[in-house]
Amino acid sequence: EIVLTQSPGTLSLSPGERATLSCRASQSVGSNYLAWYQQKPGQAPRLLIYYASSRATGIPDRFSGSGSGTDFTLTITRLEPEDSAVYYCQQYGNSPYTFGQGTKLEIK
Amino acid sequence: QVQLVQSGAEVRRPGASVKVSCKVSGNTLTVLSIHWVRQAPGKGLEWMGGFDPEDAETIYAQRFQDRVTMTEDTSTDTAYMELSSLISEDTAVYYCAAAIGSSRFDYWGQGTLVSVSS
Repeated sequence: EIVLTQSPGTLSLSPGERATLSCRASQSVGSNYLAWYQQKPGQAPRLLIYYASSRATGIPDRFSGSGSGTDFTLTITRLEPEDSAVYYCQQYGNSPYTFGQGTKLEIK
Repeated sequence: QVQLVQSGAEVRRPGASVKVSCKVSGNTLTVLSIHWVRQAPGKGLEWMGGFDPEDAETIYAQRFQDRVTMTEDTSTDTAYMELSSLISEDTAVYYCAAAIGSSRFDYWGQGTLVSVSS
């Protein structure tokens, strides 16, 4: 099983700043099958990034993904209050399709 | 536009079973692969299992293998997840999620709260 470890656990930033979220895998993620999801309270997760760096439909270009192998990053520029959420990475290359434990982003 | 609509909240006693449905519209189960993900209160996302189109079989996370069954009715484009031998720790929101082929989860249902309590 591929274990995904996200850091930091919580990130507190101000509007207009840049957020950098990390996701580290216990073994290489095949074909960069790594996705990022955003989840706001009381809502289902929403796909942001797939194949490590491809933006999903309708996702603003303030959101970008990078990385390969075992180290992946989600970057959010020009933070807005609506970006407050928990962000999860997921690998979907090998069963079980594991998720990271999440990073909570607070915009203060 | 693909939409997944799940059945309503359920309350069960420990030891009982629950079956949650997920109705697909805007596409069909012959194209989409349905997965199930749960989220305990205040916790993260946990993949339970789903359809692997490459091997044409449903795969389950090992910890649920013995008590979960995922099925599909292609005539109504509805997927089902049945979890048996419920315990209080199964209290969670259960989501269905759809992938196109073997891929990321592009679409999500609204979630179904299952509460297990004596």
